[in-house]
Amino acid sequence: EAQVTQNPRYLITVTGKKLTVTCSQNMNHEYMSWYRQDPGLGLRQIYYSMNVEVTDKGDVPEGYKVSRKEKRNFPLILESPSPNQTSLYFCASSFLGGLHNEQFFGPGTRLTVL
Amino acid sequence: GESVGLHLPTLSVQEGDNSIINCAYSNSASDYFIWYKQESGKGPQFIIDIRSNMDKRQGQRVTVLLNKTVKHLSLQIAATQPGDSAVYFCAENRPPLNKLIFGTGTRLQVFP
Repeated sequence: EAQVTQNPRYLITVTGKKLTVTCSQNMNHEYMSWYRQDPGLGLRQIYYSMNVEVTDKGDVPEGYKVSRKEKRNFPLILESPSPNQTSLYFCASSFLGGLHNEQFFGPGTRLTVL
Repeated sequence: GESVGLHLPTLSVQEGDNSIINCAYSNSASDYFIWYKQESGKGPQFIIDIRSNMDKRQGQRVTVLLNKTVKHLSLQIAATQPGDSAVYFCAENRPPLNKLIFGTGTRLQVFP
């Protein structure tokens, strides 16, 4: 089944404790992206990647890191989480170019930073 | 500034009626638009898309209309069902970066 998977689905942590949220897709998509979703603010892009070893900042990159060492994986790293990073996070992927390059979303990771 | 927004935060319809969800965008250079459905506890799910060289596109029970003159997008759902209850987002896709700009969403509530 074609899908985007994220782990963990739920995470409660404390301020300053490094964490990684994994994202993997099995559709051979070039493009991958991370979003956070907050009430009243909708979905905002954190980082994106056009291909392996190519990443760039989205609209809200502060406090986050990413890497793209393999085409299928795009982990989101919070080196020193803070309470304002409490949010619902989504990973997405898509092909680039073509007529229909809609992004496919993962199930989400709900993160709480105490 | 550039934005993609929705006119109504909540839309309530009776089962069997048609639903219309509206969206305004301000970037006239955008050439691709997507509607997503997000059910509680799930990620956004693709519904239908449309390119700017089209005015209308139909899917199964859904139709998207694009009016480039007034920069307006709408999603029509025919014979709305309880399973259609969700938050609906329009998103503006800006090639070549494949960047999605989302509106804040409209919650569709379907009553029996």
